[in-house]
Amino acid sequence: AQSVSQHNHHVILSEAASLELGCNYSYGGTVNLFWYVQYPGQHLQLLLKYFSGDPLVKGIKGFEAEFIKSKFSFNLRKPSVQWSDTAEYFCAVRGGGGNKLTFGTGTQLKVEL
Amino acid sequence: NAGVTQTPKFQVLKTGQSMTLQCAQDMNHNSMYWYRQDPGMGLRLIYYSASEGTTDKGEVPNGYNVSRLNKREFSLRLESAAPSQTSVYFCASSEYFSTGANYGYTFGSGTRLTVV
Repeated sequence: AQSVSQHNHHVILSEAASLELGCNYSYGGTVNLFWYVQYPGQHLQLLLKYFSGDPLVKGIKGFEAEFIKSKFSFNLRKPSVQWSDTAEYFCAVRGGGGNKLTFGTGTQLKVEL
Repeated sequence: NAGVTQTPKFQVLKTGQSMTLQCAQDMNHNSMYWYRQDPGMGLRLIYYSASEGTTDKGEVPNGYNVSRLNKREFSLRLESAAPSQTSVYFCASSEYFSTGANYGYTFGSGTRLTVV
């Protein structure tokens, strides 16, 4: 079975600081990887996803993530966060071409002015 | 351009009461899912339907039942609600077994359920 670990549960940053949120998965085969964002009071929205090819994936709102197969990682990055990035971020994995996503427990990001 | 529509948005139940959460999608997706979201636990899969006519248990199915009424609709039923089922419930849909980059979940706006 596949699983996802997000080790940072709460992160507090000042505006303009750089962001990196960790995501590690466990699955031995082919994986697709996703980052979703949930703004306060809203549903989850897709930030970016990796299927194949270039391991550096660029998403919306300046976010990017790097798939490192040898480390089973898919960390989310943003060079300069904004107050509007305050949200909860979820990493998810789809293993073996199946159609279910397994989500991590989420990272609550708070950006202070 | 509705995407995934869930009803109701909020509900308070007494212990032992039953209710059905409704979900409908208009994207012609084959697969639909029910998740619950609890603080510190992320999203956990309750049931899913890979395609019309099929349903399967997810990670936390106890206390729930589902019905895939047709391709568009996938309902979640609580037969006898318990306080442990207090949660936010999300429905989602996706293409089935897509290998293309168009694969991904589309989520509904959620149902906040409180069982007292």
